[in-house]
Amino acid sequence: KAGVTQTPRYLIKTRGQQVTLSCSPISGHRSVSWYQQTPGQGLQFLFEYFSETQRNKGNFPGRFSGRQFSNSRSEMNVSTLELGDSALYLCASSPGGVLGYTFGSGTRLTVV
Amino acid sequence: ELKVEQNPLFLSMQEGKNYTIYCNYSTTSDRLYWYRQDPGKSLESLFVLLSNGAVKQEGRLMASLDTKARLSTLHITAAVHDLSATYFCAVDIGNYGGSQGNLIFGKGTKLSVKP
Repeated sequence: KAGVTQTPRYLIKTRGQQVTLSCSPISGHRSVSWYQQTPGQGLQFLFEYFSETQRNKGNFPGRFSGRQFSNSRSEMNVSTLELGDSALYLCASSPGGVLGYTFGSGTRLTVV
Repeated sequence: ELKVEQNPLFLSMQEGKNYTIYCNYSTTSDRLYWYRQDPGKSLESLFVLLSNGAVKQEGRLMASLDTKARLSTLHITAAVHDLSATYFCAVDIGNYGGSQGNLIFGKGTKLSVKP
């Protein structure tokens, strides 16, 4: 059974650029959520999508956005990158209900 | 402000010893998760605790949840080196009656098990 797939695994971008990260959930999982992990702030919730609708959003600036497609795959976009956006971005999928979340391997973004 | 507090944040143990990690949270929730993270890796699900009094065990790890006290514990029995990792608790505060992806994480407990 394939897990949650995130691409790319590593990215290096320059300040001011934008970036798009991709997440393919486990087959049948309709909920996809995104988290940012940094040494200083820890793991922080970005947003969650279910059936192409954003249901929850964390406390991040509007530069952070996302979407979900009809096949449940999700993308997140960060525009006008700042040095502080350097982090490990984790995607998690869930079938819904109370079965918990499975995390992908993450995308490590470095902004220089 | 919603808070999930883990303690200790750092734990150095001898192999064979027992210890408990505590996770206190400040909001009403009956869904709590424990994850393990190895350096440079993603989060591995350990336990899903969904009701007051829930207790789950896997190998040398046992987790429990007291929703009235807003406290979860992760107990380590007879630690071995392979348990060295960072352990996170996470509280689900979503509003849709199930998994809503809105997890509030503790800062993690970095466990080092020494021979």
